[in-house]
Amino acid sequence: SQTIHQWPATLVQPVGSPLSLECTVEGTSNPNLYWYRQAAGRGLQLLFYSVGIGQISSEVPQNLSASRPQDRQFILSSKKLLLSDSGFYLCAWSGETNTEAFFGQGTRLTVV
Amino acid sequence: EDQVTQSPEALRLQEGESSSLNCSYTVSGLRGLFWYRQDPGKGPEFLFTLYSAGEEKEKERLKATLTKKESFLHITAPKPEDSATYLCAVQAGRGNFNKFYFGSGTKLNVKP
Repeated sequence: SQTIHQWPATLVQPVGSPLSLECTVEGTSNPNLYWYRQAAGRGLQLLFYSVGIGQISSEVPQNLSASRPQDRQFILSSKKLLLSDSGFYLCAWSGETNTEAFFGQGTRLTVV
Repeated sequence: EDQVTQSPEALRLQEGESSSLNCSYTVSGLRGLFWYRQDPGKGPEFLFTLYSAGEEKEKERLKATLTKKESFLHITAPKPEDSATYLCAVQAGRGNFNKFYFGSGTKLNVKP
């Protein structure tokens, strides 16, 4: 069966520091991968999606970037964090046929 | 513009008191509608996929239905453990990749 791992679960970082959040998927090949951010009481905002290795599409201009160095690995990064980057970050995957998406457990990022 | 709206924002029920959550959408090229359950501090958990008007899916006390403009999540005789935020998402066709658009969710609180 497929599983998705996302870490760390919580992270407190100072303003101006770098960020690296990692997500890996097991049990499937060539998944579509997504990074979402969820603000308190709000819906999920799509940040990046990827249909294959090295293929990244950005949904909103921001201080973040994403990379997909391997088929089942998706990384969210920032060179210098802003206070406004605080939030709940979720990684998700869906199959090649674009059916339902499955989510990781999320990372609570607090920028101080 | 593609949009997903959920109502009510919050719902309080007594244990055993049945009710319905609403998800209305305006998207072009609907590929599917999805319901998720999200517990505090966790990633969304997939519940149902609906593809065409008239379709229904059931799981324990939950039943999801779909029309051409909205979906309902019916909760029959809810229990306290059904308390969570319920998210609706639609998948819309955009070329060869279909994105997911999420509503803001309905926070359900079931009191014993």
